[in-house]
Amino acid sequence: DIQMTQSPSTLSASVGDRVTITCRASQSISSWLAWYQQKPGKVPKVLIYKASSLESGVPSRFSGSGSGTEFTLTISSLQPDDFATYYCQQYDTYPITFGGGTKVEIK
Amino acid sequence: EVQLVESGGGLVKPGGSLRLSCAASGFTFSSYSLNWVRQAPGKGLEWVSSISSGSSYIYYADSVKGRFTISRDNAVNSLYLRMNSLRAEDTAVYYCARGVVGEMRSWFESWGQGTLVTVSS
Repeated sequence: DIQMTQSPSTLSASVGDRVTITCRASQSISSWLAWYQQKPGKVPKVLIYKASSLESGVPSRFSGSGSGTEFTLTISSLQPDDFATYYCQQYDTYPITFGGGTKVEIK
Repeated sequence: EVQLVESGGGLVKPGGSLRLSCAASGFTFSSYSLNWVRQAPGKGLEWVSSISSGSSYIYYADSVKGRFTISRDNAVNSLYLRMNSLRAEDTAVYYCARGVVGEMRSWFESWGQGTLVTVSS
């Protein structure tokens, strides 16, 4: 199975900060990676697919990069609505696996 | 508008069974792979199972293999998850999630609101 390791697990930041979350795959997954945002009590929402493609309707302050085993999600200027938990997901190979999540908290 | 509505969750004793359903609307159901994803209380996301558009390809997480069965009925736009031999660790919100058209190798584009399964004596 492909293990997905996210870091950090918790991140404290202020509105306007540039935030970067890292996801590492235990083997190459090419660009078959998605990023999701989940707020408490809400359904996960896809932000990025194919490592760097922005889902329709997602603000342009979100961006994804990477390929192979190293990936990043960047929020260029953190907004109040962005405080949430973020998950990476590989869909290169079954079983599909998620990272453990990164909680972005208010500093 | 894409809609996925799960039902069938509830309280069940260890060793018991439950059948979850996901009713879909707003898209051509038979053209999409579908998935079940679960989230235990306060925990992260865990993929459970996937089924291709025509049911030819089915995959399970090791944690549920042999106990859970995914199926779909394209005639009534519905996805199912039969869960047998339930354990306390199966307690979670179960989400139905849709992939992208014509692809098994897919991210989860749309999600239902989830249905809570609680396994407890």
